Amino acid sequence: GENVEQHPSTLSVQEGDSAVIKCTYSDSASNYFPWYKQELGKRPQLIIDIRSNVGEKKDQRIAVTLNKTAKHFSLHITETQPEDSAVYFCAGANTGTASKLTFGTGTRLQVTL
Amino acid sequence: KAGVTQTPRYLIKTRGQQVTLSCSPISGHRSVSWYQQTPGQGLQFLFEYFSETQRNKGNFPGRFSGRQFSNSRSEMNVSTLELGDSALYLCASRMTLYEQYFGPGTRLTVT
Repeated sequence: GENVEQHPSTLSVQEGDSAVIKCTYSDSASNYFPWYKQELGKRPQLIIDIRSNVGEKKDQRIAVTLNKTAKHFSLHITETQPEDSAVYFCAGANTGTASKLTFGTGTRLQVTL
Repeated sequence: KAGVTQTPRYLIKTRGQQVTLSCSPISGHRSVSWYQQTPGQGLQFLFEYFSETQRNKGNFPGRFSGRQFSNSRSEMNVSTLELGDSALYLCASRMTLYEQYFGPGTRLTVT
């Protein structure tokens, strides 16, 4: 089955800096890669996703890149703000056979003033 | 539209008991998936239901079961509870093949 690895497990950046979180996946048939943000005590929130037919997607300060050949994808947050502090999870799925999400282990992002 | 809702939000049970958790998806969403979240194992897929049929199942023992009703609401049941079943149980609904939206979760504590 699919295995998703995520790095780093913790990340501390200063406000205004950029943050990058990286994930790799094992199943070459995976075609959908969402990112979720989970604040303490809250539900995971879908913040951006990418499908395998595109290499990059951007939404304001957030962007995701996908390299299908290397089987890795990354989340980029620019101009970080304190409210970006949370745990971020990447996930992968093969929507052709099953839509279950296989999650990475999470990255705790702390944005300091 | 209202988001995914789950009841109850918190639950304390004793080993050996059973528990039923409920999930109401976003209106119009016919697929409901369940996930278990623990500090040690992270987010793990339990099962998915679509139109009252289980479509996918994760690697959990048979003590974990679920069902879906004709209005798309879903329940999951855990029988013979073990201490290790203490977790946040999240359900997620979706309309298309892609975006899944999570509920707030049910925090289950087994003592």
